[in-house]
Amino acid sequence: QSVLTQPPSVSAAPGQKVTISCSGSTSNIGNNDVFWYQQLPGSAPKLLIYENNKGLSGIPDRFSGSKSGTSATLGITGLQTGDEADYYCGAWDSDLSIYVFGIGTKVTVL
Amino acid sequence: EVQLVESGGGLVQPGGSLRLSCAASGFTFSIYWMSWVRQAPGKGLEWVANINKDGSKKFYVDSVKGRFTISRDNAKNSVVLQMDSLRAEDTALYYCARRTSGDYWGQGTLVTVSS
Repeated sequence: QSVLTQPPSVSAAPGQKVTISCSGSTSNIGNNDVFWYQQLPGSAPKLLIYENNKGLSGIPDRFSGSKSGTSATLGITGLQTGDEADYYCGAWDSDLSIYVFGIGTKVTVL
Repeated sequence: EVQLVESGGGLVQPGGSLRLSCAASGFTFSIYWMSWVRQAPGKGLEWVANINKDGSKKFYVDSVKGRFTISRDNAKNSVVLQMDSLRAEDTALYYCARRTSGDYWGQGTLVTVSS
């Protein structure tokens, strides 16, 4: 059971939008920055969004992040088949003094 | 170009030890925290440990405390994860990452703990 809660899977048709939620607590998301990662099949994770809503250089602006209270959201617009991957949220947990990841959300393009 | 290259993985018996290394290049290694993250086969990401810029601060996930030790050599641009008293549940692909948040990742080295 992860400290950060994500839906196991989301899906949508090409061109549509998906959102992935990440729910935590005051010890992690509530008081620390949230990061989002993409892991394509057979590849290492790649950072997409840092400090809640900043896109890493080279990441398409179809990917966006937001945070409110103890929850965060990753949005992907204009869904493409190449976006099929596992997406993880992460944050430092100040009470546990460790970095925590969500369980990961598998995005499927229908 | 930032590069992180892990090595040292392999097959080890329960109770054994392994030493993972991560060679860093393409950035000023000594000014960054470094981390290890693992991923068991078919499972999600689990953060394992991190170390601050000069090696004076280290944090570990509870499941590896007392068994794993993270260290770094800024002169050699490398970070090491010494893993002792290995268990079957430590079987995973181990990634080296820059910063606690992992802005760059290596390709990983596979550790298999099995008799």
